[in-house]
Amino acid sequence: KAGVTQTPRYLIKTRGQQVTLSCSPISGHRSVSWYQQTPGQGLQFLFEYFSETQRNKGNFPGRFSGRQFSNSRSEMNVSTLELGDSALYLCASSLAGTSVETQYFGPGTRLLVL
Amino acid sequence: DQQVKQNSPSLSVQEGRISILNCDYTNSMFDYFLWYKKYPAEGPTFLISISSIKDKNEDGRFTVFLNKSAKHLSLHIVPSQPGDSAVYFCAASAIGWGKLQFGAGTQVVVTP
Repeated sequence: KAGVTQTPRYLIKTRGQQVTLSCSPISGHRSVSWYQQTPGQGLQFLFEYFSETQRNKGNFPGRFSGRQFSNSRSEMNVSTLELGDSALYLCASSLAGTSVETQYFGPGTRLLVL
Repeated sequence: DQQVKQNSPSLSVQEGRISILNCDYTNSMFDYFLWYKKYPAEGPTFLISISSIKDKNEDGRFTVFLNKSAKHLSLHIVPSQPGDSAVYFCAASAIGWGKLQFGAGTQVVVTP
């Protein structure tokens, strides 16, 4: 079974621009979560989608948004980029997103904001 | 707030010896705990998990112990191998959360 895939793997943007990241979950998985990893803050939860609905949201500003499509693929968008948005963005999928499920991570998208 | 804490940022161990990684948590609602291994520029790889109804789970060289009264879990790697050199994250979840709360990670270096 193919793992979680994320595109693109690397991105360079400038302040004020917007960016869209894509995530394809493991086949059959319906829950997709997004995390941000930075050296200072570690792995922080952004949001979780299940059946095209956002079920959970972390403490990030409204510039961070996402969506999920009927095939469970998910996109994450960051508008008006700031230097502090430079990070590794990780997507994880699980079957139904319950607390007793394992989340499987993709390789991440490395975003650099200049 | 740091609900999951890994107080040792780094650990150095000789090849063949035991690596013991520790994790403490503060939220008594957590009912599922996981360990992930992460190499630079890659996503975390799932290693092993444990439900709050158990106190031990084994998978090959990896064993996780859970002490609910102390709100403490540990990961034992026996024997340690050079390929185990990576950052290890402890994570926890609770019913209805749909998300993982991560610790800050422990960098493990296995020396020959």
